[in-house]
Amino acid sequence: EDQVTQSPEALRLQEGESSSLNCSYTVSGLRGLFWYRQDPGKGPEFLFTLYSAGEEKEKERLKATLTKKESFLHITAPKPEDSATYLCAVQAVETNAGKSTFGDGTTLTVKP
Amino acid sequence: DTEVTQTPKHLVMGMTNKKSLKCEQHMGHRAMYWYKQKAKKPPELMFVYSYEKLSINESVPSRFSPECPNSSLLNLHLHALQPEDSALYLCASSQGPQGGDTQYFGPGTRLTVL
Repeated sequence: EDQVTQSPEALRLQEGESSSLNCSYTVSGLRGLFWYRQDPGKGPEFLFTLYSAGEEKEKERLKATLTKKESFLHITAPKPEDSATYLCAVQAVETNAGKSTFGDGTTLTVKP
Repeated sequence: DTEVTQTPKHLVMGMTNKKSLKCEQHMGHRAMYWYKQKAKKPPELMFVYSYEKLSINESVPSRFSPECPNSSLLNLHLHALQPEDSALYLCASSQGPQGGDTQYFGPGTRLTVL
């Protein structure tokens, strides 16, 4: 069974204090790993898709990396507007196409 | 443009009502999804349509009835819902039904069942 575990569950940072969110996964074969940002009461906003170990993608203050067992979302010099829940999801080779397994998310709070 | 739109934004209904949620995308995507999300939980897949045909039904109760009239539209018909069905209902689309395609989500419909 595919599993995704995100840590920490909650993270509080001061503005400008860089940190990383972790997404550990167990799948039979990875088709893709996805990072989303979700604000309260809104739909998840797509951030990154990673397909193979060693891949990295960046967008503004965010950088996502991927190994064979985990992915990290690095946040550099965060601002209060980066406060949100960050979701990680995987799609596996052996599951029905389009079916994603989500982690429970990391809720990030950035204080000014 | 990666926009998925959903209407209405909010819906309050009684347990005997019939209502519908609507979702639209104009990205040429051929796979569309319905998810249910409870507070502080990740989205939970309900249905997947691939090329306008239902390809995945995650054992959802029959009081939820999906419909895909064409490649751009997805509806979710609701009938005789229970209070525990109150949640955020999310629509998503992806380029194809192939594994590994990025899913883009709409803003959601907040449903309250009284």
